[in-house]
Amino acid sequence: EVQLVESGGGLVQPGRSLKLSCLASGFTFSNYGMNWIRQAPGKGLEWVASISSSSSYIYYADTVKGRFTISRDNAKNTLYLQMTSLRSEDTALYYCARQGPGYEDYWGQGVMVTVSS
Amino acid sequence: DVVMTQTPVSLSVSLGGQVSISCRSSQSLVHNNGNTYLSWYLQKPGQSPQLLIYKVSNRFSGISDRFSGSGSGTDFTLKISRVEPDDLGVYYCGQGTQYPLTFGSGTKLEIK
Repeated sequence: EVQLVESGGGLVQPGRSLKLSCLASGFTFSNYGMNWIRQAPGKGLEWVASISSSSSYIYYADTVKGRFTISRDNAKNTLYLQMTSLRSEDTALYYCARQGPGYEDYWGQGVMVTVSS
Repeated sequence: DVVMTQTPVSLSVSLGGQVSISCRSSQSLVHNNGNTYLSWYLQKPGQSPQLLIYKVSNRFSGISDRFSGSGSGTDFTLKISRVEPDDLGVYYCGQGTQYPLTFGSGTKLEIK
């Protein structure tokens, strides 16, 4: 069974940093691209970043480019999102999702990030 | 960026009825490789989104044949037949043809 478990969220002040993790199991992690997708409270889905299976290709939304860094450790079956210079508009539930060809087939339960003073 | 426009914003249906949700993209979703990467997701209350349909009309593993997708180019439709109580939630279309990946704003399905 495919499982994606996010962690690392919490309450953080504006301008500070936070690192999210997503532990994958039930599939060969190193064979799949991965995404971070977020959802602000009461809002829709917003793609944040993608990373290919070997980390060769990385893409970011303009809203986070230069502030967030996606990475992965295939030996640890773990996806990361390093978030710096956090803003109130980054407050959201952050999902990691496995990437199929042009779609996201499995999603984690999400981890909440709240940016507030 | 590809803008995904979903209509309606919400709809209410009786159990056993049928509904259609429209999704339009601001650009063609036909990839250079000939595939069209349009997907549909359902987010049930309090849950993560789940994949229903990929590449316009392919049902994901375990998805009931009551869900069907159609369309091409920039116009796509999700149909749900014989609506059941478990179908309620917010439906999103999403495109994976080009970065940035984008989603529609969602259609909330309520059961009468």
